[in-house]
Amino acid sequence: QVQLVESGGGLVQPGRSLRLSCAAPGLTVSTYDIHWVRQAPGKGLEWVALMSSDGRRSYYAGSVRGRFVLSRDNHWTRLYLQMNSLRPEDTALYYCARDRGGGFIDLWGQGTLVTVSS
Amino acid sequence: DIQMTQSPSSLSASVGDRVTITCRASQTITNYLDWYQQKPGKAPNLLIYAASSLQSGVPSRFSGSGSGTDFTLTISSLQPEDFATYYCQQSYNTPYTFGQGTKLEIK
Repeated sequence: QVQLVESGGGLVQPGRSLRLSCAAPGLTVSTYDIHWVRQAPGKGLEWVALMSSDGRRSYYAGSVRGRFVLSRDNHWTRLYLQMNSLRPEDTALYYCARDRGGGFIDLWGQGTLVTVSS
Repeated sequence: DIQMTQSPSSLSASVGDRVTITCRASQTITNYLDWYQQKPGKAPNLLIYAASSLQSGVPSRFSGSGSGTDFTLTISSLQPEDFATYYCQQSYNTPYTFGQGTKLEIK
């Protein structure tokens, strides 16, 4: 069964870094654009970032641009969201998600929780 | 950035009711509008893509319409499992943006 699995979340102090991972067992990630979407506790969905299927293009929300960086491993089996200079307002459940084509998301992971607090 | 505004923010309705949720974009997005349903503790689930295309496996009581800046999601006859939060998202331009959500509650 195709699925996306996020990992790497946890408690981190403001100003520190964290790297999230998105694994896709059963899925060739090079076939799809992959999004990151986050949801702060009790709040709505916020689109964070997108990596193109060829890995050559990345796009970011203004709230994270310059602090977050997308990458993927050489075998294109995992994607990473490197989060630097973390702020308390980055506290959220982070989902990776598959773009089916045309920008809509048809497959979501279960999310990984990031808490930024001193 | 394109702003997406949903209305209402919350809605109380009864099983069997017809419900409409609207989403307005701050600029034209042609038909690059998608609708998601989210239940507590779960990831979102795609209902409608490209404004009016029903995602595979989604019941036909869900429908979407609109183009340009104004869009609607309609549930023709509410079922108990439909009580959830609904989000629109524009996929016309990055950054892709979501509406603030509409919480559909049981009356």
